[in-house]
Amino acid sequence: AQSVTQLGSHVSVSEGALVLLRCNYSSSVPPYLFWYVQYPNQGLQLLLKYTSAATLVKGINGFEAEFKKSETSFHLTKPSAHMSDAAEYFCAVINDEAGTALIFGKGTTLSVSS
Amino acid sequence: GAVVSQHPSRVICKSGTSVKIECRSLDFQATTMFWYRQFPKKSLMLMATSNEGSKATYEQGVEKDKFLINHASLTLSTLTVTSAHPEDSSFYICSAPRQQGVTDTQYFGPGTRLTVL
Repeated sequence: AQSVTQLGSHVSVSEGALVLLRCNYSSSVPPYLFWYVQYPNQGLQLLLKYTSAATLVKGINGFEAEFKKSETSFHLTKPSAHMSDAAEYFCAVINDEAGTALIFGKGTTLSVSS
Repeated sequence: GAVVSQHPSRVICKSGTSVKIECRSLDFQATTMFWYRQFPKKSLMLMATSNEGSKATYEQGVEKDKFLINHASLTLSTLTVTSAHPEDSSFYICSAPRQQGVTDTQYFGPGTRLTVL
């Protein structure tokens, strides 16, 4: 069975600083991994996804993530944080026992201060 | 981009009553939709897979008689919480993949906040 673990339920950065949100996965098969963002009172929005092509995946809003099999990690980064990046971020993996449903991590709240 | 809507966005009901939540794919057809439940400060947990034209598939521990799912058309799935109790209060979110490939993007509805008094 697949699972994802997000380290750190809350991350705080200053505007302009590097954003690093950590995600480790567990999977017995090659995983398909996703990062979603949830803004207050809005639905989840896909930031990026890894589908076994390039290990460095670029997403929207300047975010990117690198798939590292040796570390079973898929950390999300952004070189320079904006105030508008403050939101809840979820790492997810395809649940191959339930079609294309997703298994989510517990989420990381990103706060950005000026 | 693809849009998935949910209605209502927020509902308050009395204990013992039933509540229906609708999930619609607005610009694509979805033979499969998923229903998740999100507790405060917690992750989304898959409740069930809604299949158009057939019975829903429920995850372990989810009461199928309590959470009735109907996938009436290729653009509509409904979740009915029957005989709701305060412990059913939660944030319910649906999603739908535009296509059926395992890596295709899933589009999420904005969620429905259910409060049972």
